Amino acid sequence: DVKVTQSSRYLVKRTGEKVFLECVQDMDHENMFWYRQDPGLGLRLIYFSYDVKMKEKGDIPEGYSVSREKKERFSLILESASTNQTSMYLCASGSGNQPQHFGDGTRLSIL
Amino acid sequence: AQSVTQLGSHVSVSEGALVLLRCNYSSSVPPYLFWYVQYPNQGLQLLLKYTSAATLVKGINGFEAEFKKSETSFHLTKPSAHMSDAAEYFCAVSEVTGGGNKLTFGTGTQLKVEL
Repeated sequence: DVKVTQSSRYLVKRTGEKVFLECVQDMDHENMFWYRQDPGLGLRLIYFSYDVKMKEKGDIPEGYSVSREKKERFSLILESASTNQTSMYLCASGSGNQPQHFGDGTRLSIL
Repeated sequence: AQSVTQLGSHVSVSEGALVLLRCNYSSSVPPYLFWYVQYPNQGLQLLLKYTSAATLVKGINGFEAEFKKSETSFHLTKPSAHMSDAAEYFCAVSEVTGGGNKLTFGTGTQLKVEL
C-alpha cells in the first residue's frame, strides 16, 4: 500500500513564526501536492511538484512556499504564519493520471 | 479551467435507504473523475475513478457512480446505506498539466446515516 506520511497530526504555532510541514511518500511518485481544507470550501491546491526541485503554484499560493529536495519529500513552508492560515493541511502524491494518495492531514492552529 | 459542483453540503438518509450524492463537472476535455471519502480525523481515501472506460464505475464499500456526458454528471450511489458510511464525500476532476494530473475538488457533501 502507498504510504503518505505527514510529520504532525496537530500543530500549534504563533503569529509571525516560520512553520514547516513535512510530507514523505514511499511509492516513488513523481508528483506531490499540498492542499488546505476548510469547512464549506473543500480542498484547495496550494502548491504542487512534478519532480525534484520543481514546483508550481496552485490556486492559493500566497503566504506559502515549498521545497522538494528529494523525490520522496515535499515540505510546505509558512513564511510568517498568520491566523487566517489556521486550517487542515493535506499532502498527496501520485503518478501520471493515477489517483492521488493522501496523508492523514495536519491540523494547524495559529494563535 | 475545470470546476466541480456538489449539490447539497449535507445529506441525511436512513440506514438501509438509497444514498445519492450529486456531482456535476465542467471540463474542456474528456475528464478523469474521482470520488473520495474522508472519515473524521483522517485523510482522503479513493472510492472510485472514471477514466473513460465503462460509464458505470464500481468502487469500494458498495458504492458506484455513473458518468453521463450529456448531463456532465458523475453522481455517487449506494443501494443501502450503512451507519459506517457516515463521512464526508468529495468529487474531483482531473486536469492534465505539465507532467501529471492536477485535481479540482468540489466543496464536499457530509453524509449522515440515521437509524
